[in-house]
Amino acid sequence: DVKVTQSSRYLVKRTGEKVFLECVQDMDHENMFWYRQDPGLGLRLIYFSYDVKMKEKGDIPEGYSVSREKKERFSLILESASTNQTSMYLCASSLLRLAADTQYFGPGTRLTVL
Amino acid sequence: AQRVTQPEKLLSVFKGAPVELKCNYSYSGSPELFWYVQYSRQRLQLLLRHISRESIKGFTADLNKGETSFHLKKPFAQEEDSAMYYCALSGLGLGYNKLIFGAGTRLAVHP
Repeated sequence: DVKVTQSSRYLVKRTGEKVFLECVQDMDHENMFWYRQDPGLGLRLIYFSYDVKMKEKGDIPEGYSVSREKKERFSLILESASTNQTSMYLCASSLLRLAADTQYFGPGTRLTVL
Repeated sequence: AQRVTQPEKLLSVFKGAPVELKCNYSYSGSPELFWYVQYSRQRLQLLLRHISRESIKGFTADLNKGETSFHLKKPFAQEEDSAMYYCALSGLGLGYNKLIFGAGTRLAVHP
């Protein structure tokens, strides 16, 4: 049974703070993803990674960066948090690198930026 | 451009009524379509995908390439079907297992 965990369920930060969101998967999956989930907009891909130290921009990468130093861990970094980054952040992983495979999601982190 | 459209934000039905959640896509290649579901206070999870041709929890979805649609159907809705449903698109041209999600439809099944 695939397990994707996220470091926090709720976070409250102030404008300008640096924010780290962590995601860990325990099934040796190749791919990892970060999405933000907003009402009326669905899920939008921020960044994804298909291998250690490899990353690709998604649809809305501005204001975010990522790090994947180990295969099981994928971090999302908000360099200087802003109020428009208040959202639900979902991490996901999938097994196969070059196939449309099932994505397994974490429970989400609800971030509020004041 | 690749796009997934779910025209209804909210679909409200009574228990036992048929349900159809609409999904239309725009993609020039050969698409792979998915339905994901998020029940209250649970994580997002796969419901079904078109290539498996399965019926999960009584739901089915048929890919219609002519109409570029992948509507989700269930003949008799149950209260436990109440959830947020997302249609998602992938394909070779999108690369590396990327998914494009629609905005989602909230299904509310009333007793």
